[in-house]
Formats: sequence, structure tokens, C-alpha cells
Amino acid sequence: KQEVTQIPAALSVPEGENLVLNCSFTDSAIYNLQWFRQDPGKGLTSLLLIQSSQREQTSGRLNASLDKSSGRSTLYIAASQPGDSATYLCAVNLEGGGSEKLVFGKGTKLTVNP
Amino acid sequence: NAGVTQTPKFRILKIGQSMTLQCTQDMNHNYMYWYRQDPGMGLKLIYYSVGAGITDKGEVPNGYNVSRSTTEDFPLRLELAAPSQTSVYFCASSYLDRGWTSGANVLTFGAGSRLTVL
Repeated sequence: KQEVTQIPAALSVPEGENLVLNCSFTDSAIYNLQWFRQDPGKGLTSLLLIQSSQREQTSGRLNASLDKSSGRSTLYIAASQPGDSATYLCAVNLEGGGSEKLVFGKGTKLTVNP
Repeated sequence: NAGVTQTPKFRILKIGQSMTLQCTQDMNHNYMYWYRQDPGMGLKLIYYSVGAGITDKGEVPNGYNVSRSTTEDFPLRLELAAPSQTSVYFCASSYLDRGWTSGANVLTFGAGSRLTVL
């Protein structure tokens, strides 16, 4: 059974710092991996999606990498800002072709202090 | 453009009661999903639908039912509510982005419905 683990569970950093969030999964047979952001009391917002054949994706200050063989992904946030404070969730997709059977990690709660 | 709309936002139920969580999307997405999120945990898939008239079970379907009579709506029905169903429920929809090499579904989530069963 696929399991997704995110470390650390919580992280507090000063504004301007670069940081890395980690995600690991037990079964490398994934279709793709996604990183989401969740703000308190709100739904999830998709940040980055990496196909199983890709190594990384970038969007603005965010960079996500994928090492499928070792079952690991990282989300790098450059020059962090207080507005980046949220919970970040990693999810692996077990099937392609249109049905997104996502397995989620528990998330990393990030606090960026002014 | 409203995106994915869920109602109600909050609800308290007594054990054994039933209710329906409503979900509607205005993006003409074929795919829709229901997830639940327990405190401090990741989301788990309850049911999903790849189009009107088609539904399938996810990881945790017991105690729930769904229907998909239209593209826009995907209600989740709880029969005989139990305390174990206390959770936050998220509805999501997606389309197949053919810009990707093998296609990729980009999910849009609703704001969630917080359900407490006492």
C-alpha cells in the first residue's frame, strides 16, 4: 500500500530564508506527484505537478523535484515571505488517464515570521 | 467564475441522521471527487466520477453514496451518520490537460464542509 510521508510536520523560519520541504513515498510506481497549498479554513490550491518522467518543475519562487527511484520529492521555496505561511501537502497519483487517485501526505505546516 | 462550490460549510448531525453534502462546479470539468480530511491527516478519497452517470469507489467509501446526474453536480450522501464520519469534506473537480506529454489532471478544490456527528 502506497504511503506518503512529509517531514517536518511543522517548520518556522524568518522572512527571506530559503527552505526545503520533504516528501517521501513507498512505491515508486506513480503516475505523477503534486504539491498543494492549504490555507486555514480553505480548500487546496495546486502549486506544481511533476510527471513521473520529469525531474523538476518550477513556478516563480517554487521549485519541486522528483526522484522516483528513491521515492522522494522536495519543494524548494526561495526568499520566503509571510504570505507563504500555510500547510503544504504532497500527493502521489497512482493512476493516469483521467482518474486522479491521489494519496496524500499529512502535510508540513509552514510559518514565515516577519 | 465561482469554481467549485460546497454547501453547507458547517453542519452538526446526531448519530443515525442522514444528510447530503452538495457540490457544484461551473468549469465544465468531467472529473469530480470527494475527499475527507481528518485532523492532522492527509486527504483520503471517498468517491470519484469521470463523467455524468459514472461513479466509482475510492479508498474509504463505506457509509457514503454519490450520484452524478449532471456534469455540474456531485452530491455526497451520508446515511446513518456515525461519529467516525466527523471530518472536513472536500469536493474537487478536474480536467485533463493535454498540454502534458501523457495528460495530467489539474484539480480545483472547494472550500470544504466541516461535519460533526455527535
